[in-house]
Formats: sequence, structure tokens, C-alpha cells
Amino acid sequence: DAKTTQPPSMDCAEGRAANLPCNHSTISGNEYVYWYRQIHSQGPQYIIHGLKNNETNEMASLIITEDRKSSTLILPHATLRDTAVYYCIVKSNTGKLIFGQGTTLQVKP
Amino acid sequence: GAVVSQHPSWVICKSGTSVKIECRSLDFQATTMFWYRQFPKQSLMLMATSNEGSKATYEQGVEKDKFLINHASLTLSTLTVTSAHPEDSSFYICSAQEAGQGDSYEQYFGPGTRLTVT
Repeated sequence: DAKTTQPPSMDCAEGRAANLPCNHSTISGNEYVYWYRQIHSQGPQYIIHGLKNNETNEMASLIITEDRKSSTLILPHATLRDTAVYYCIVKSNTGKLIFGQGTTLQVKP
Repeated sequence: GAVVSQHPSWVICKSGTSVKIECRSLDFQATTMFWYRQFPKQSLMLMATSNEGSKATYEQGVEKDKFLINHASLTLSTLTVTSAHPEDSSFYICSAQEAGQGDSYEQYFGPGTRLTVT
């Protein structure tokens, strides 16, 4: 299973874009990158996923480098409710999601 | 979006007793469900993969005789913690993947069950 590396914590000002990086240098060609977030004492919430192309939905944008060894999750206008732990996960061929330590994003007023 | 529920949301039990946690996919059928455990200030740890109609596959280090998993239908998986001890106190979370969907589709997570063993 490909491993991911994320910074343990980040701060972001409310209303500004939050850019969360993730390294996944051992990713295989057919493995997807998924992003979830977890607000305290709740189940993880799906955000976005991608394979090769950049993706955008109502929550965020996902930028994947051409070599696919890293990606960045972008929350375009962070709010206080976006404060959470963000997990970048490479989904294995078995369908398993193996969670790393994630990045704790603190959005500040 | 797809909804996964868990019941109960929290439970307190005495040491030595067994506790059953249910995971239901409410508006879709799930061939595969996953069970996770999360200790305070730690990440989610995958315990097992539950497949409808077959035996669960446990991750290394997870005792299959202690954590019994049953996936009897396409909408229900249960996790039974047998002979619970205080060290089993944790946040148990399930996820489900819609039947027929492969690697390009998301898993939907339940809200979690807080187990406290006294």
C-alpha cells in the first residue's frame, strides 16, 4: 500500500485559501488519491478524489502533479467550520483506505 | 449523498460482557464494509474488511475471535466485541462501499460508536 506524508498541522486565516500538501511518491499507476476530513468525534467525511487529472467539486479542488508523486488539496475560502484533521490516502487495489496521521488544519478568525 | 448509520452511537458496558455494534447503509447496497478503531488523538486503524456472505478479513494484529464480524445482508454489518476489557474502549467507525463500484468510488463512513468499558 502506498504511503502518504502530510505536515502534522497548518493554520489558515478565515476567508483565505487553505492549501494542504501530500506526498505519495510510491503511488502506483492505477491507484487513486482520496481526501477525507474528520471533525472531532465524528466519522470521516469524503472530500474529493482523483487519479491523474485535477479535480474540483463544491467542497475543494485537488491538484495532482504530473508525476503523481504529490498532490495538494485546496479549500478556496476556508471557514471556521473547516477546522478538522485532513487525511490524504492512496486507495489500494484491495479497496482499503489506510489512514496516516493527517494534517490538523486550524482556521483562525 | 449515501448515508451510513451506526447503532448505538455510544455504549458503556462492564468488563467481561459483549457488545454488538451495527453498521447500516441506508440508501444503497454495500458488498463491502470496513471496520476501523480510533483511540484518542490517534488516526483511524483499519481492523477488518467485511464482505457480504463471506468471512471477514482481519488486519494483522486484530484478534478475529475477539472482534466478531457478520455481514449477513447488503445493508448491514455487525461488529461484536466479545469479553470486552477497558483497553477495548475506543471509537469504532464503519465505512461502506456501494456494490458494483470499484476503486474510483468513495467509501461512506458512519458517525462512529463510542465504546467505554468499565
